[in-house]
Amino acid sequence: EVQLVESGGGLVQPGGSLRLSCAASGFTFSSHELNWVRQAPGEGLEWVSYISGSGSTILYRDSVKGRFTISRDNAKNSLYLQMNSLRAEDTAVYYCARLADLPYFDSWGQGTLVAVSA
Amino acid sequence: ELVMTQSPATLSVSPGERATLSCRASQSVNGKLAWYQQKPGQAPRLLIYGASTRATGIPARFSGSGSGTEFTLTISGLQSEDFAVYYCQQYNNWPMYTFGQGTKLEIK
Repeated sequence: EVQLVESGGGLVQPGGSLRLSCAASGFTFSSHELNWVRQAPGEGLEWVSYISGSGSTILYRDSVKGRFTISRDNAKNSLYLQMNSLRAEDTAVYYCARLADLPYFDSWGQGTLVAVSA
Repeated sequence: ELVMTQSPATLSVSPGERATLSCRASQSVNGKLAWYQQKPGQAPRLLIYGASTRATGIPARFSGSGSGTEFTLTISGLQSEDFAVYYCQQYNNWPMYTFGQGTKLEIK
């Protein structure tokens, strides 16, 4: 069974940093592209960042470029999101989401809440 | 940015009846359209990909249709566990995936 378990969320002040982790199991981790998708309270879903299976291709939405860094450790079956210079508008539940061979999201973690507030 | 628009925002339907949810793309997505179900406090769950193919384990009462820019999710014989928020998502414009704003399906 595919499992994705996020951790690392919490309350942080504007301008602060957090590092999210996603621990994966039940599949060949290095063979799958992964993403972070977020959902602000009461809002819809928003793609944040993408990383290829090898980690060689990385992409971000414009609003987080230069502030967020996605990475992965295939030896540890883990995905990460380093978030710096956090803003109030980054407040959301952050989901780790796996891409199927055709690039839709076929598995999601339960999410971790990031709250940016003074 | 490719914009996805869902309608209606809220749909009230009685159990046992049929629900029809719509999703429109601002340009063709070449059939690369997925539907997700999300219940309160839970992660989204994949229902449909390729506009009409049910994901593994999804009941046959869920069906997707459409092409080009217009897509529909139909849920026949609504059951209590089907009342949730539904999102469409295009994956034609990789990796700038975009989601619709969601349709809340509520009990009438």
